[in-house]
Amino acid sequence: QLQLQESGPGLVKPSETLSLTCTVSGGSISSSSYYWGWIRQPPGKGLEWIGSIYYSGSTYYNPSLKSRVTISVDTSKNQFSLKLSSVTAADTAVYYCARRAPIYFYMDVWGKGTTVTVSS
Amino acid sequence: EIVLTQSPGTLSLSPGERATLSCRASQSVSSSYLAWYQQKPGQAPRLLIYGASSRATGIPDRFSGSGSGTDFTLTISRLEPEDFAVYYCQQYGSSPLHTFGQGTKLEIK
Repeated sequence: QLQLQESGPGLVKPSETLSLTCTVSGGSISSSSYYWGWIRQPPGKGLEWIGSIYYSGSTYYNPSLKSRVTISVDTSKNQFSLKLSSVTAADTAVYYCARRAPIYFYMDVWGKGTTVTVSS
Repeated sequence: EIVLTQSPGTLSLSPGERATLSCRASQSVSSSYLAWYQQKPGQAPRLLIYGASSRATGIPDRFSGSGSGTDFTLTISRLEPEDFAVYYCQQYGSSPLHTFGQGTKLEIK
C-alpha cells in the first residue's frame, strides 16, 4: 500500500527558507506517468496547489508561488522535496504531499500533512 | 486564471437527507479533469469522485457526481453520520494547473 510521509521543521523564521521532504513507501517514485506534488492549507482555509514533479525532474509550479518555489526529486531515496524561500506569516499552513494520477490528473494518495508555522 | 466557486458555503442537513453541492467554474473545464474530495478535521483530503462522475475505489455508491462545462454537482443520496465534513472540487488544466474550490462545509442540522 502506497504511503506518503511529510517531514521537516515545524517552525520557520520570516524571510528564511521552508524545506520539507516527502518520503514515498510501498511503491516507487519512478512509477511511469505519476507526478508528485505539494498542496498547502492555511489555518481554517482551503487548499492551494503549490507544484508538482515527475521522477525525471520535470516540474510545474503555481504561478502565484513560482518565484519562491523549488521542488526536487531524489529517486535513490524515493523522496521529493519542497523549498519555499522568503517566507512570511502568510505561508503558515499544513503542507501535504500527494501523488497525482495519470489520465484524469486527480490526487489519489495523500500524506497526513505537516504543520509549518512562520514566526520569529 | 480559472476560479472554482462552491455553493453553498455551509449546508445544514440531517442524517438520511439528500445533499447537493455545487461547483461552478469561471471558464469551461473538461469533465475528465474535475474531481471531488472530502476532508474531515485533522485529516488529509480523500478522493471521492474523478472524471466528474467516476467514484474512486472504496467510495460508497451514495456519492455521485455529475455536470459538464462550467457547472458540476456532487450529490450524497442519503447522508450518513460520517459524511459530515468539508467537500472540495478541483480542476486540472487551466492555469494554475490544479485549482481547488473554497469548499462546502456539510454540517449536521
